[in-house]
Amino acid sequence: GDSVTQMEGPVTLSEEAFLTINCTYTATGYPSLFWYVQYPGEGLQLLLKATKADDKGSNKGFEATYRKETTSFHLEKGSVQVSDSAVYFCALSLFSGNTPLVFGKGTRLSVIA
Amino acid sequence: EAEVAQSPRYKITEKSQAVAFWCDPISGHATLYWYRQILGQGPELLVQFQDESVVDDSQLPKDRFSAERLKGVDSTLKIQPAELGDSAMYLCASSLPAGSGTDTQYFGPGTRLTVL
Repeated sequence: GDSVTQMEGPVTLSEEAFLTINCTYTATGYPSLFWYVQYPGEGLQLLLKATKADDKGSNKGFEATYRKETTSFHLEKGSVQVSDSAVYFCALSLFSGNTPLVFGKGTRLSVIA
Repeated sequence: EAEVAQSPRYKITEKSQAVAFWCDPISGHATLYWYRQILGQGPELLVQFQDESVVDDSQLPKDRFSAERLKGVDSTLKIQPAELGDSAMYLCASSLPAGSGTDTQYFGPGTRLTVL
Protein backbone atom coordinates (compact mmCIF):
# COMPACT_ATOMS: atom_id res chain seq x y z
CA GLY A 1 0.00 0.00 0.00
CA ASP A 2 0.87 3.67 -0.09
CA SER A 3 3.20 4.84 2.66
CA VAL A 4 5.43 7.67 3.80
CA THR A 5 8.68 7.27 5.71
CA GLN A 6 10.32 10.25 7.36
CA MET A 7 13.35 10.55 9.56
CA GLU A 8 12.77 9.93 13.21
CA GLY A 9 13.27 12.69 15.67
CA PRO A 10 13.60 14.50 17.80
CA VAL A 11 15.85 16.89 15.93
CA THR A 12 17.49 19.58 18.02
CA LEU A 13 19.19 22.51 16.30
CA SER A 14 20.64 25.82 17.31
CA GLU A 15 19.04 28.97 15.95
CA GLU A 16 20.23 29.84 12.40
CA ALA A 17 21.29 26.25 11.70
CA PHE A 18 20.41 24.46 8.45
CA LEU A 19 17.50 22.04 8.59
CA THR A 20 16.86 18.91 6.56
CA ILE A 21 14.08 16.45 7.32
CA ASN A 22 14.12 13.46 5.01
CA CYS A 23 10.93 12.04 3.54
CA THR A 24 10.49 9.17 1.08
CA TYR A 25 7.29 7.65 -0.22
CA THR A 26 5.82 4.56 -1.80
CA ALA A 27 2.75 5.03 -3.97
CA THR A 28 0.86 2.99 -6.52
CA GLY A 29 -0.02 6.07 -8.54
CA TYR A 30 1.32 9.57 -9.08
CA PRO A 31 0.85 11.35 -5.76
CA SER A 32 0.71 14.93 -4.64
CA LEU A 33 3.16 15.54 -1.79
CA PHE A 34 2.73 17.76 1.24
CA TRP A 35 4.47 18.99 4.35
CA TYR A 36 2.23 19.88 7.27
CA VAL A 37 3.35 21.47 10.55
CA GLN A 38 1.76 20.98 13.96
CA TYR A 39 2.48 23.41 16.77
CA PRO A 40 1.90 22.27 20.37
CA GLY A 41 -1.77 21.71 21.13
CA GLU A 42 -2.91 22.67 17.65
CA GLY A 43 -4.14 21.03 14.48
CA LEU A 44 -2.15 20.65 11.29
CA GLN A 45 -1.27 23.56 9.04
CA LEU A 46 -0.26 23.12 5.43
CA LEU A 47 3.33 24.27 5.04
CA LEU A 48 3.94 23.52 1.37
CA LYS A 49 2.99 21.16 -1.42
CA ALA A 50 4.08 19.88 -4.83
CA THR A 51 1.91 18.09 -7.35
CA LYS A 52 4.33 16.87 -10.03
CA ALA A 53 7.92 15.80 -10.51
CA ASP A 54 10.58 18.51 -10.12
CA ASP A 55 8.07 20.95 -8.62
CA LYS A 56 9.45 22.90 -5.69
CA GLY A 57 7.10 23.89 -2.91
CA SER A 58 8.13 26.79 -0.71
CA ASN A 59 6.73 28.80 2.17
CA LYS A 60 8.13 30.77 5.13
CA GLY A 61 11.70 29.93 4.10
CA PHE A 62 11.01 26.20 3.90
CA GLU A 63 11.48 24.34 0.60
CA ALA A 64 10.95 20.82 -0.70
CA THR A 65 11.44 19.41 -4.20
CA TYR A 66 9.39 16.52 -5.62
CA ARG A 67 11.98 13.96 -6.78
CA LYS A 68 10.27 11.17 -8.63
CA GLU A 69 13.49 9.29 -9.42
CA THR A 70 14.32 8.94 -5.72
CA THR A 71 10.67 9.03 -4.49
CA SER A 72 11.63 11.76 -2.06
CA PHE A 73 10.35 15.10 -0.80
CA HIS A 74 12.92 16.32 1.72
CA LEU A 75 12.14 19.47 3.73
CA GLU A 76 14.87 22.12 4.04
CA LYS A 77 15.33 25.51 5.60
CA GLY A 78 18.51 27.53 5.48
CA SER A 79 18.25 29.20 8.89
CA VAL A 80 15.85 27.97 11.53
CA GLN A 81 14.30 30.08 14.25
CA VAL A 82 13.03 29.19 17.73
CA SER A 83 9.51 29.74 16.40
CA ASP A 84 10.01 26.84 13.95
CA SER A 85 9.91 24.38 16.85
CA ALA A 86 7.03 22.01 16.02
CA VAL A 87 6.26 18.58 14.63
CA TYR A 88 6.56 18.24 10.85
CA PHE A 89 4.58 15.68 8.88
CA CYS A 90 5.24 14.53 5.35
CA ALA A 91 2.14 13.27 3.53
CA LEU A 92 0.88 12.13 0.15
CA SER A 93 -2.45 11.90 -1.59
CA LEU A 94 -3.29 10.20 -4.84
CA PHE A 95 -4.91 12.99 -6.78
CA SER A 96 -7.56 11.14 -8.71
CA GLY A 97 -10.31 13.07 -7.06
CA ASN A 98 -10.16 13.94 -3.40
CA THR A 99 -8.43 11.17 -1.53
CA PRO A 100 -7.29 10.86 2.07
CA LEU A 101 -3.82 11.90 3.09
CA VAL A 102 -1.32 9.24 4.07
CA PHE A 103 1.03 10.64 6.70
CA GLY A 104 4.47 9.80 7.98
CA LYS A 105 4.97 9.48 11.71
CA GLY A 106 6.18 13.03 12.13
CA THR A 107 9.50 14.58 13.10
CA ARG A 108 9.73 16.78 16.17
CA LEU A 109 12.01 19.77 15.73
CA SER A 110 13.33 21.78 18.67
CA VAL A 111 15.29 24.94 17.99
CA ILE A 112 17.27 26.42 20.86
CA ALA A 113 18.48 29.99 21.11
CA GLU B 1 -9.52 33.60 6.50
CA ALA B 2 -12.04 30.74 6.66
CA GLU B 3 -11.22 27.93 9.06
CA VAL B 4 -12.43 24.49 10.01
CA ALA B 5 -14.14 24.64 13.39
CA GLN B 6 -14.16 21.79 15.91
CA SER B 7 -15.61 21.39 19.36
CA PRO B 8 -14.95 20.62 22.07
CA ARG B 9 -11.20 21.24 22.07
CA TYR B 10 -10.69 18.90 25.01
CA LYS B 11 -12.80 16.06 26.36
CA ILE B 12 -12.16 13.84 29.36
CA THR B 13 -14.45 10.87 29.84
CA GLU B 14 -14.54 7.56 31.63
CA LYS B 15 -14.45 4.31 29.74
CA SER B 16 -17.84 2.95 28.69
CA GLN B 17 -19.25 6.49 28.38
CA ALA B 18 -20.44 8.03 25.13
CA VAL B 19 -18.67 11.00 23.55
CA ALA B 20 -19.39 13.14 20.51
CA PHE B 21 -17.27 15.54 18.50
CA TRP B 22 -18.48 18.22 16.12
CA CYS B 23 -16.88 19.67 12.99
CA ASP B 24 -17.90 22.59 10.77
CA PRO B 25 -15.88 22.64 7.53
CA ILE B 26 -14.94 25.65 5.45
CA SER B 27 -17.94 26.91 3.51
CA GLY B 28 -18.15 25.31 0.08
CA HIS B 29 -15.94 22.36 0.98
CA ALA B 30 -17.88 19.30 -0.09
CA THR B 31 -15.32 16.78 1.14
CA LEU B 32 -14.89 16.21 4.86
CA TYR B 33 -12.49 13.89 6.63
CA TRP B 34 -12.15 12.65 10.20
CA TYR B 35 -8.66 11.52 11.20
CA ARG B 36 -7.40 10.03 14.47
CA GLN B 37 -3.93 10.93 15.69
CA ILE B 38 -2.45 8.79 18.44
CA LEU B 39 0.27 10.50 20.45
CA GLY B 40 3.57 10.35 18.61
CA GLN B 41 2.03 9.15 15.36
CA GLY B 42 0.75 10.69 12.16
CA PRO B 43 -3.00 11.08 11.60
CA GLU B 44 -4.91 8.15 10.13
CA LEU B 45 -8.20 8.36 8.28
CA LEU B 46 -11.34 7.21 10.05
CA VAL B 47 -14.02 8.33 7.58
CA GLN B 48 -14.41 10.47 4.47
CA PHE B 49 -17.60 12.19 3.32
CA GLN B 50 -18.50 13.66 -0.05
CA ASP B 51 -21.43 15.95 0.72
CA GLU B 52 -23.68 13.79 2.95
CA SER B 53 -22.45 10.45 1.62
CA VAL B 54 -19.75 8.26 3.14
CA VAL B 55 -16.96 7.66 0.61
CA ASP B 56 -14.62 5.62 2.80
CA ASP B 57 -15.20 4.27 6.30
CA SER B 58 -13.09 1.14 5.96
CA GLN B 59 -10.92 2.12 8.96
CA LEU B 60 -13.80 3.19 11.21
CA PRO B 61 -14.38 0.72 14.11
CA LYS B 62 -18.07 0.45 13.40
CA ASP B 63 -18.89 -1.52 16.53
CA ARG B 64 -18.34 1.63 18.59
CA PHE B 65 -17.78 4.56 16.23
CA SER B 66 -20.35 6.33 14.08
CA ALA B 67 -20.18 9.42 11.89
CA GLU B 68 -22.80 11.46 10.14
CA ARG B 69 -23.08 14.54 7.95
CA LEU B 70 -26.81 14.78 7.55
CA LYS B 71 -27.12 17.98 5.53
CA GLY B 72 -23.75 17.78 3.86
CA VAL B 73 -22.31 20.59 5.92
CA ASP B 74 -21.27 19.98 9.54
CA SER B 75 -20.47 16.54 10.88
CA THR B 76 -20.56 14.60 14.14
CA LEU B 77 -18.31 11.74 15.18
CA LYS B 78 -19.53 9.59 18.06
CA ILE B 79 -17.90 6.91 20.18
CA GLN B 80 -20.01 4.60 22.31
CA PRO B 81 -18.74 3.11 24.51
CA ALA B 82 -15.35 4.79 24.81
CA GLU B 83 -12.33 2.59 25.56
CA LEU B 84 -8.94 3.49 27.01
CA GLY B 85 -7.32 2.99 23.61
CA ASP B 86 -9.51 5.71 22.10
CA SER B 87 -7.44 8.40 23.82
CA ALA B 88 -6.12 10.46 20.92
CA MET B 89 -6.50 13.70 18.98
CA TYR B 90 -9.45 13.65 16.60
CA LEU B 91 -8.89 15.91 13.62
CA CYS B 92 -11.39 17.13 11.08
CA ALA B 93 -10.31 18.33 7.65
CA SER B 94 -12.13 19.63 4.60
CA SER B 95 -11.36 20.26 0.94
CA LEU B 96 -13.01 21.50 -2.21
CA PRO B 97 -14.89 18.98 -4.38
CA ALA B 98 -13.09 16.63 -6.73
CA GLY B 99 -12.43 18.32 -10.05
CA SER B 100 -11.87 21.72 -8.48
CA GLY B 101 -8.20 21.64 -9.41
CA THR B 102 -6.85 21.41 -5.89
CA ASP B 103 -6.61 18.60 -3.37
CA THR B 104 -5.39 20.63 -0.41
CA GLN B 105 -6.96 19.64 2.89
CA TYR B 106 -7.46 22.19 5.65
CA PHE B 107 -7.46 20.99 9.24
CA GLY B 108 -9.30 22.14 12.31
CA PRO B 109 -7.63 22.51 15.72
CA GLY B 110 -8.69 19.01 16.79
CA THR B 111 -10.40 17.51 19.82
CA ARG B 112 -8.07 15.94 22.39
CA LEU B 113 -9.88 12.97 23.96
CA THR B 114 -8.70 11.39 27.19
CA VAL B 115 -10.42 8.22 28.36
CA LEU B 116 -9.88 7.33 32.02
